[in-house]
Amino acid sequence: GIQVEQSPPDLILQEGANSTLRCNFSDSVNNLQWFHQNPWGQLINLFYIPSGTKQNGRLSATTVATERYSLLYISSSQTTDSGVYFCAVSRGFGNEKLTFGTGTRLTIIP
Amino acid sequence: DAGVIQSPRHEVTEMGQEVTLRCKPISGHDYLFWYRQTMMRGLELLIYFNNNVPIDDSGMPEDRFSAKMPNASFSTLKIQPSEPRDSAVYFCASRGTHNVLTFGAGSRLTVL
Repeated sequence: GIQVEQSPPDLILQEGANSTLRCNFSDSVNNLQWFHQNPWGQLINLFYIPSGTKQNGRLSATTVATERYSLLYISSSQTTDSGVYFCAVSRGFGNEKLTFGTGTRLTIIP
Repeated sequence: DAGVIQSPRHEVTEMGQEVTLRCKPISGHDYLFWYRQTMMRGLELLIYFNNNVPIDDSGMPEDRFSAKMPNASFSTLKIQPSEPRDSAVYFCASRGTHNVLTFGAGSRLTVL
């Protein structure tokens, strides 16, 4: 099956700092999503981004499908950004199984 | 919209007991997914449905696990008999034509 690797596994930053999270995948995909799991366990969809760039407030994401990676940018970090960020991919076209990476645990220190 | 609704939020049971987890997807969503999350294995897809029909159950760990979707607004995941290694958080998620996956709050299962 498709492999999804996320880096770094852990990231500790001071409030106000910027961060870049990376997701590499082993095969071509037509579905890529980023999720944030908050400290209470809730999984929130951040972006559906199989290609291109999107922005939502302080968060933005870029997927370069031809090179099989995606980046999630968080600017001016806040303590509420803490949690685990997951990348998930699928090939689609009849295969709807989203495979999740192991996540990046982000801790924002006030 | 109330989002994806799961129940119970927490369940503690003894080994050998039957466990039933419930899910109400977002109205209009035609895909429903059951995931399990553990520290050791992360998020794993167990089974997914399209228009109430099971499409892929290759992630169901063994015959003790079963899932049904009798109509578009309800699905169950059943474990019978339950074992301690089934302890995990079970997530239900649904998706419409826009491809964005929306998760429920999860059901935390502890099997003693």
